[in-house]
Amino acid sequence: EDQVTQSPEALRLQEGESSSLNCSYTVSGLRGLFWYRQDPGKGPEFLFTLYSAGEEKEKERLKATLTKKESFLHITAPKPEDSATYLCAVAVYGGATNKLIFGTGTLLAVQP
Amino acid sequence: DSGVTQTPKHLITATGQRVTLRCSPRSGDLSVYWYQQSLDQGLQFLIQYYNGEERAKGNILERFSAQQFPDLHSELNLSSLELGDSALYFCASSEGGQGDYGYTFGSGTRLTVV
Repeated sequence: EDQVTQSPEALRLQEGESSSLNCSYTVSGLRGLFWYRQDPGKGPEFLFTLYSAGEEKEKERLKATLTKKESFLHITAPKPEDSATYLCAVAVYGGATNKLIFGTGTLLAVQP
Repeated sequence: DSGVTQTPKHLITATGQRVTLRCSPRSGDLSVYWYQQSLDQGLQFLIQYYNGEERAKGNILERFSAQQFPDLHSELNLSSLELGDSALYFCASSEGGQGDYGYTFGSGTRLTVV
């Protein structure tokens, strides 16, 4: 069964304290891995897409990496405005369309 | 503003009632996806439409149905509502039917069934 697991469930950091979020997956036929940011009561906001092992993407203080079994979202010197839930999703080939399977997210709180 | 518009933002209704949620995709996007997000389940895929036709089905209950109109907007109909249907309902859109490049989400409709 296709599965996406994110850890930790919640993470509290001090401003400037770098860390990493993990997304591990067991799927057949990975078509892509996506990272989203979600603020309370709002829709997920697209951050990155990764397609193959070894690929890396960066945006401001965020860097996403991908291996054959997991992805990491590295947050360097975070600021309070980085506080949000970070969602990982994998696109799995499903015939006519890809299925997008989401993890349950990591709730990040960055304290000043 | 993501470009995906959902209305209404909030909806409060009683058990047994029927509601309709509306979604206008981002300009140029042909696919619309509906997701349900509850506290204990995370984001669950319900259904996808591509250029007016149903493309894929997820964990959508028989009490729920959807359609996509010629102007590409979509509606999600929820009937015989139960307390457990209370959740955030998101619409997302993508240019193609495969979703290879990710989806753009709307800001959601918060449904409360009392």
